[in-house]
Amino acid sequence: DTAVSQTPKYLVTQMGNDKSIKCEQNLGHDTMYWYKQDSKKFLKIMFSYNNKELIINETVPNRFSPKSPDKAHLNLHINSLELGDSAVYFCASSQDGWDLGNTIYFGEGSWLTVV
Amino acid sequence: DAKTTQPTSMDCAEGRAANLPCNHSTISGNEYVYWYRQIHSQGPQYIIHGLKNNETNEMASLIITEDRKSSTLILPHATLRDTAVYYCIVRVAWDTDKLIFGTGTRLQVFP
Repeated sequence: DTAVSQTPKYLVTQMGNDKSIKCEQNLGHDTMYWYKQDSKKFLKIMFSYNNKELIINETVPNRFSPKSPDKAHLNLHINSLELGDSAVYFCASSQDGWDLGNTIYFGEGSWLTVV
Repeated sequence: DAKTTQPTSMDCAEGRAANLPCNHSTISGNEYVYWYRQIHSQGPQYIIHGLKNNETNEMASLIITEDRKSSTLILPHATLRDTAVYYCIVRVAWDTDKLIFGTGTRLQVFP
């Protein structure tokens, strides 16, 4: 009955490869997010999706692309992986976005290592 | 660029109250104060949030000063499982809707 689930939990891949991380939420939330946590433990938002429309796009490389087949899913595709992409990626969701004082629920994270 | 300031680390004895401070002197009138925590190797977990009144839930209490420039998260009876990094977050801007986590406070609860 996990609220926000993401797969895979661990991913080791070579530079130049293309990979995807999947995320699903069963909370019925309208907004989903992707966060990146680097080696220094800084947690930064990358994208958010509301009703299948991208409403936030932080200054991330265009090699990263979120794809939402439906309201319950927001997958993260990464092309031409680089060493600097190694990080923990967290999926999250909230109801009606943060600006209404609602909370964000995070997944358990996906540990990506690029070698 | 975080709009909050927290101590880097704190210790607390098991069973005692843990009081985690946060300064947010530039907070705007419509910005909420949120607290999240991240236990090692897990995703951030929501704890509590407030606008200007003190709040309490089953996990913690949030005390916000009258001028809203600072707040304190209180874990009334800390346990070893409360060892985590605690993040105090305020929303940055209305139009860009940026959500910024700072470096947080690493709370170590000891027996």
